[in-house]
Amino acid sequence: QSALTQPRSVSGSPGQSVTISCTGTSSDVGGYNYVSWYQQHPGKAPKLMIYDVSKRPSGVPDRFSGSKSGNTASLTISGLQAEDEADYYCCSYAGSNTYVFGTGTKVTVL
Amino acid sequence: QVQLVQSGAEVKKPGASVKVSCKASGYTFTSYYMHWVRQAPGQGLEWMGIINPSGGSTSYAQKFQGRVTMTRDTSTSTVYMELSSLRSEDTAVYYCASVDTAYWGQGTLVTVSS
Repeated sequence: QSALTQPRSVSGSPGQSVTISCTGTSSDVGGYNYVSWYQQHPGKAPKLMIYDVSKRPSGVPDRFSGSKSGNTASLTISGLQAEDEADYYCCSYAGSNTYVFGTGTKVTVL
Repeated sequence: QVQLVQSGAEVKKPGASVKVSCKASGYTFTSYYMHWVRQAPGQGLEWMGIINPSGGSTSYAQKFQGRVTMTRDTSTSTVYMELSSLRSEDTAVYYCASVDTAYWGQGTLVTVSS
């Protein structure tokens, strides 16, 4: 169960869009439509932003969207805002009732 | 409203065990699996395992097999995570998460130091 691969950091100016990739294998990301994304501000618990690849929990702005192609899932933040600056983690089901997180990506709003 | 309230910070010596609790309220305890996730200082999230509060069945990440035990008490809607043979690398904040990970506990800092 190796961690899913995410870019260490991405950045964008307010109003721009950024996309975070999350690369796994056919045993996790590619094998199931159970990818979720979490936002974490410093010192806080993670917050669920996307589940089942592209579904948004109530209360999450529609600026956040998710998708998947093959073994890579992606989170796109459109219309970037200052409060979006945080760490983001993907997580995938990996079979046999196990899960694996991504390495994490720091999003910086310039 | 849904709440997951975890037990307080712990300081343990290497080789000892720690047991962290997570008390759930505001939803049907037995309807949702409970995950345990940890985060070492300055590091990323690490999935540890999951327990089905209904029947008590568990699944653990390979890394923690043999060292972690997750249990539940349905009478108090509480889940427990016990980690044994602690080493310094186990110093981390430990989180519980449920309702399909839409809700998280506040985290419990476990410090392993001689």
